[in-house]
Amino acid sequence: KAGVTQTPRYLIKTRGQQVTLSCSPISGHRSVSWYQQTPGQGLQFLFEYFSETQRNKGNFPGRFSGRQFSNSRSEMNVSTLELGDSALYLCASSLVAGSQPQHFGDGTRLSIL
Amino acid sequence: QQQVKQSPQSLIVQKGGISIINCAYENTAFDYFPWYQQFPGKGPALLIAIRPDVSEKKEGRFTISFNKSAKQFSLHIMDSQPGDSATYFCAAPQYNFNKFYFGSGTKLNVKP
Repeated sequence: KAGVTQTPRYLIKTRGQQVTLSCSPISGHRSVSWYQQTPGQGLQFLFEYFSETQRNKGNFPGRFSGRQFSNSRSEMNVSTLELGDSALYLCASSLVAGSQPQHFGDGTRLSIL
Repeated sequence: QQQVKQSPQSLIVQKGGISIINCAYENTAFDYFPWYQQFPGKGPALLIAIRPDVSEKKEGRFTISFNKSAKQFSLHIMDSQPGDSATYFCAAPQYNFNKFYFGSGTKLNVKP
């Protein structure tokens, strides 16, 4: 069974641009969560989606947004990129909302120049 | 407010030794406590997890000990191997959600 797939694996952008990251959950998993990982702040929750609806949102500015499609795939978008947005963005999936365990993908490494 | 506090920040253990990583939590509504292992360039991988109705869970060389009254749980790695060198995270999910509160991570280095 394929794991959580995130694309692209690496991305380089400049300040002010916007970016879209993609996540395909494990087959049959319908809940998707996103996290930002940085050396200084660790792993921080961005949002959680289930049945195309955002169930929960972390403490990030409105420049960070996401969505989920009917096939459970999810995308997150960051607009007006800042240097501080450089991070590893991780996606995790689980069977249904609030269920454990969650399984993580290998992330998208975003670098802002 | 830090919901999950993890220590130590780094750990050096000789091959064959025991590695112990500790976590303390605040919220008594937490009902699932996983440990994740992360290698450089990879995402966190679920290692072992426990629910608060048991005090200990063992899977191979990995054991979680759980102390509900003290609101603490720990990971023990027996017979530590160089291949165990990685960063370990404890976590707890917000009740009924998939939002994890993660510990700050422990970088384990097992010397050959």
